[in-house]
Amino acid sequence: GAGVSQSPSNKVTEKGKDVELRCDPISGHTALYWYRQSLGQGLEFLIYFQGNSAPDKSGLPSDRFSAERTGGSVSTLTIQRTQQEDSAVYLCASSAEYNEQFFGPGTRLTVL
Amino acid sequence: TQLLEQSPQFLSIQEGENLTVYCNSSSVFSSLQWYRQEPGEGPVLLVTVVTGGEVKKLKRLTFQFGDARKDSSLHITAAQTGDTGLYLCGGWGTYKYIFGTGTRLKVLA
Repeated sequence: GAGVSQSPSNKVTEKGKDVELRCDPISGHTALYWYRQSLGQGLEFLIYFQGNSAPDKSGLPSDRFSAERTGGSVSTLTIQRTQQEDSAVYLCASSAEYNEQFFGPGTRLTVL
Repeated sequence: TQLLEQSPQFLSIQEGENLTVYCNSSSVFSSLQWYRQEPGEGPVLLVTVVTGGEVKKLKRLTFQFGDARKDSSLHITAAQTGDTGLYLCGGWGTYKYIFGTGTRLKVLA
């Protein structure tokens, strides 16, 4: 596609359920990034992939969060046993190496 | 921990006024970037500053990188309603990309 796409655009879930967020980067972009944006916390870096590898996973907020990237393309961010504080907009971006990041529109997650 | 603090946090001005947004850190960054984000969208890159003391102009926007590469500023001349949005600075830390705390600008007609 022409830009970064994310799905779903909105997700409402109940506390304790697992959710999976998907990111389709721009074709050919080797780097992929996940961020979380909430009113109280600003734009928070979660993890990035260079190819299929994530050099550092310490940005993930807790062990309930995991991310993977396969085939150097699509990435999924999984949140297990969701909590209300997980409610936020989850943004994905991709770039060619460490160049300009192009962002998707985000997934708005609401945990009831 | 590398942090980027922006000021002011909120700014509401009349169309035609000038404004400056600041991005400060106690850490040295090899480069800093400025973004603008509109509601429902991801941030869009405006500029990258790399060299200490560098000044870059993008139409009515002027970006400056501090000599010590610890701070940056964004100056908007004759603001327009279309400049309304969230302005973010950002830069690479160790294995993570750091965004500033953000400045929410509203330009009134």
